[in-house]
Amino acid sequence: AQSVTQLGSHVSVSEGALVLLRCNYSSSVPPYLFWYVQYPNQGLQLLLKYTTGATLVKGINGFEAEFKKSETSFHLTKPSAHMSDAAEYFCAFSSGSARQLTFGSGTQLTVLP
Amino acid sequence: ETGVTQSPTHLIKTRGQQVTLRCSSQSGHNTVSWYQQALGQGPQFIFQYYREEENGRGNFPPRFSGLQFPNYSSELNVNALELDDSALYLCASSLDKTAYGYTFGSGTRLTVV
Repeated sequence: AQSVTQLGSHVSVSEGALVLLRCNYSSSVPPYLFWYVQYPNQGLQLLLKYTTGATLVKGINGFEAEFKKSETSFHLTKPSAHMSDAAEYFCAFSSGSARQLTFGSGTQLTVLP
Repeated sequence: ETGVTQSPTHLIKTRGQQVTLRCSSQSGHNTVSWYQQALGQGPQFIFQYYREEENGRGNFPPRFSGLQFPNYSSELNVNALELDDSALYLCASSLDKTAYGYTFGSGTRLTVV
């Protein structure tokens, strides 16, 4: 069975500091991996996704993530945090043909002034 | 192009009642998937509709049911509401049956009292 684990339910960083949100997955099939952001009382916005090919994926708002098969990880990073990055972030997994996403439990990012 | 719209945005119901949530898919999308997001958790897959037929279901009881219409809009119906049904209900539309190209709506916040 596939699963997604997000390490750290809450992460705080100072404005301008590096953002690192951790995601590990477990799967017996090649994964498709996603990062979504959710602002309060809103739906999910796709930040980036990995399917095949280049393992370093660039997304919107300066975020990027690297797929590391040997570590079964897909951590999300941003070099310099902005106040507007404060939100909840979800890592999600799908196999290529799957109809649904399996989500992690989320990481709440707080950006301190 | 229009995105995914959900209605209503907020809803309060009494335990035992029935509720209908609505979703208009993005223009050109023929698949709608529904997710339940309980407070503090990641979204969980309820079911998917493709060309007016159910195309897969998550671990939800039969009192959760749905419809898809010829214009690809969709309804989620929940009968005999329970307190644990209180959640954000998210609709996602896509061009095909996979989760690869989801576009999420902003959700309906259901509170059961």
